[in-house]
Amino acid sequence: GQQLNQSPQSMFIQEGEDVSMNCTSSSIFNTWLWYKQEPGEGPVLLIALYKAGELTSNGRLTAQFGITRKDSFLNISASIPSDVGIYFCAGRLPGANSKLTFGKGITLSVRP
Amino acid sequence: SAVISQKPSRDICQRGTSLTIQCQVDSQVTMMFWYRQQPGQSLTLIATANQGSEATYESGFVIDKFPISRPNLTFSTLTVSNMSPEDSSIYLCSETTGQETQYFGPGTRLLVL
Repeated sequence: GQQLNQSPQSMFIQEGEDVSMNCTSSSIFNTWLWYKQEPGEGPVLLIALYKAGELTSNGRLTAQFGITRKDSFLNISASIPSDVGIYFCAGRLPGANSKLTFGKGITLSVRP
Repeated sequence: SAVISQKPSRDICQRGTSLTIQCQVDSQVTMMFWYRQQPGQSLTLIATANQGSEATYESGFVIDKFPISRPNLTFSTLTVSNMSPEDSSIYLCSETTGQETQYFGPGTRLLVL
């Protein structure tokens, strides 16, 4: 099946730093979604992207839909301890009722 | 987005038994899904819960093991049947109203001994 590549598996940053996460694929996607999952919780939708080149912000988070439609990135600026969690990218392939494809997630740790 | 609740939030079960997980959405949604998240892993789609008809299962998942009901537009159940320790996972209900975004419930954490 289609795969979304997220790496590295874990990231460790200092509080206050910015961090960028990429999600890539060999396939073209119509929609990109970024989720955050904290321990004991379900994934929470952070940002949704619907067209190539789109750049969308949600507070300190910014995400972009790649021009080639095969990638997306998520930036977190001025990180804080509560940013810790697992960040998943997900994409929806072209086609009606297309299901979401998920990346493996990146675990973010923020050192105070 | 709709608010999604799941019951139970967690359970510990003995092998060979079955557990039914409930998912309630606070507004009518187009599509409901059930996912499994094994420890330390990403999300895997089990099936699409179809209102008033049989669920559509993904490869590797069968109705006998994971029977699903969806009697109306706001409620669905997933049963994990004849459980084994390999079924220990987080089971997540998800919904979309057809607007391309998709939301998840808080999950049910299942441990099978």
